Amino acid sequence: AQSVTQLDSQVPVFEEAPVELRCNYSSSVSVYLFWYVQYPNQGLQLLLKYLSGSTLVKGINGFEAEFNKSQTSFHLRKPSVHISDTAEYFCAVSLFGNEKLTFGTGTRLTIIP
Amino acid sequence: SQTIHQWPATLVQPVGSPLSLECTVEGTSNPNLYWYRQAAGRGLQLLFYSVGIGQISSEVPQNLSASRPQDRQFILSSKKLLLSDSGFYLCAWNPGGSGGSYNEQFFGPGTRLTVL
Repeated sequence: AQSVTQLDSQVPVFEEAPVELRCNYSSSVSVYLFWYVQYPNQGLQLLLKYLSGSTLVKGINGFEAEFNKSQTSFHLRKPSVHISDTAEYFCAVSLFGNEKLTFGTGTRLTIIP
Repeated sequence: SQTIHQWPATLVQPVGSPLSLECTVEGTSNPNLYWYRQAAGRGLQLLFYSVGIGQISSEVPQNLSASRPQDRQFILSSKKLLLSDSGFYLCAWNPGGSGGSYNEQFFGPGTRLTVL
């Protein structure tokens, strides 16, 4: 079975500074990878996804992530954060042919003015 | 375009009372439907999923049940709520089928349930 690890439960970052949110996965077969964002008391919104092809994936709101198969990682990055990026971020994995997603425990990103 | 609705948005219920949360999807047919629970400080736990009317798969044995009486309606129920049922309940959907970009799920706005 697949699993997802988000080691950082909370990440504080100063406004306009860069940020990286870490995600590692475990699977014996090929996977699809996703990053979702959740603003307070709201549902989840897809930031970006990796299905195949280029390992550098660009998403909404200036975020990008890089798939590293050898490191089994899919870290999320943004070069300059804004107050509006304050939210919880979830990494998720699924297997080809299986519509179910397995989520990490989330990383709370706090932007410091 | 497709939209997903959940209601109620918030709910406060006493221990031992019944529960019914509803989720509906518009603008698509034969979707896969999912119920998740998000407890405070924890990730998302998949509770149930459905690939068609009357077809329910349970991921975690617990005090809850799910039903799919219509193609685009998914209901989460309980006969007697426990304190541990408190949490944020999210419904999600993706197009029926397998593989490809269909793995992506689209989430509703959620229901905040507090059991006292």
